[in-house]
Amino acid sequence: QAQLEQSGAEIKKPGASVKLSCKASGYSISDYAIHWMRQAPGQRPEWMGWINPDNGNAKYSQTFQDRVTLTTDRSASTVYLELNSLRSEDSAVYYCARLVIIPLGALDIWGQGTTVTISS
Amino acid sequence: DTQMTQSPSSVSASVGDRVTITCRASQGIDTWLAWYQQRPGRAPKLLVYTASKLQSGVPSRFSGSGSGTDFTLTISGLQPEDFATYFCLQLGSFPWTFGQGTRLE
Repeated sequence: QAQLEQSGAEIKKPGASVKLSCKASGYSISDYAIHWMRQAPGQRPEWMGWINPDNGNAKYSQTFQDRVTLTTDRSASTVYLELNSLRSEDSAVYYCARLVIIPLGALDIWGQGTTVTISS
Repeated sequence: DTQMTQSPSSVSASVGDRVTITCRASQGIDTWLAWYQQRPGRAPKLLVYTASKLQSGVPSRFSGSGSGTDFTLTISGLQPEDFATYFCLQLGSFPWTFGQGTRLE
């Protein structure tokens, strides 16, 4: 059964960086793109970007372009999101999800989420 | 960016009721729309993809329709486990954007 397992909760100070992981199991991570979203309390989810784990190519939302980096370690079946220059507004639950273009054209499997709290 | 306007933001209903949730896109997205169910503290669950196709394992009381800019999710015969938050996601153009969610209570 395909699953995405995310790393544990993080507490960071403003200005710091955070690196989150998303480990795939039950399928080959190279087969599908991984997308990242975040959801602040009471807010709609916000799309951040995506990475092709097969070749490492990534595309980012302009909102996060200057602060986010997506990387992959295929040997570990893991994708990473690094967010820099953290501020209080970055406090949210961060999700990774798998995109199945054919036949779904949708994100079918999501990780359980990682809570990131920014606090001085 | 494509803005997604979802309504209503919340709806009160009872077991057995029929509920309809709508999403309107600020520009045409063909049928690149998905619907998700989210329970508190849980990851979103895919219900409907490409506007009208039911994801495997999702009960047939869920249905989706629409294309272009107007989309609906209908739940016919609400069950206790359906009381959750629902949101739409447009995949027609980057950046992908979400509706603000509908809380079914």
